[in-house]
Amino acid sequence: QKEVEQDPGPLSVPEGAIVSLNCTYSNSAFQYFMWYRQYSRKGPELLMYTYSSGNKEDGRFTAQVDKSSKYISLFIRDSQPSDSATYLCAMRGDTGRRALTFGSGTRLQVQP
Amino acid sequence: GAGVSQSPRYKVAKRGQDVALRCDPISGHVSLFWYQQALGQGPEFLTYFQNEAQLDKSGLPSDRFFAERPEGSVSTLKIQRTQQEDSAVYLCAAGGANTEAFFGQGTRLTVV
Repeated sequence: QKEVEQDPGPLSVPEGAIVSLNCTYSNSAFQYFMWYRQYSRKGPELLMYTYSSGNKEDGRFTAQVDKSSKYISLFIRDSQPSDSATYLCAMRGDTGRRALTFGSGTRLQVQP
Repeated sequence: GAGVSQSPRYKVAKRGQDVALRCDPISGHVSLFWYQQALGQGPEFLTYFQNEAQLDKSGLPSDRFFAERPEGSVSTLKIQRTQQEDSAVYLCAAGGANTEAFFGQGTRLTVV
């Protein structure tokens, strides 16, 4: 079993829909949680960054972390065709090791 | 992303050939990471440098993989005697000492 599980999709939604993307994890030492967006043939781009539990909002994006359930979410409001990409969750611990552990990514398609 | 340049963008190697992949971060990027991303998967950690010191190489899959960053700036990932299972996108990420890293566009390696 992988440390970070993520539904690969694809997830297809109409333009304007609210999108919910999720990851579960097993390592209770994880303290930093990120969401990356990756367009085809490009490198991952950091979207959201959260430390420990709680919510964080940035424009149309909201990240939630529930450490008690080992569950993180990314919500995209008013989704646009330009949001079509693969979304990767990533996380790491609070100690010296800075390597990220990624989920396998969810492919999102927003239909115009 | 944020000045992390990787070359070449694409590399085709014959099985058994040695390859060298380059990562060129902007000045001041103390931290540098290499990740391997197989098709349809999330990136997997290979190795981490802080300046010229290789602090973590726990993700290197075999002794055929070797990374260096001799002057604390440009880094090279070398793969000796390439195998078909080495086919993947190799991502470099670089950033400050206490900030999350920005990813380059990656090098797509195909071993034939």
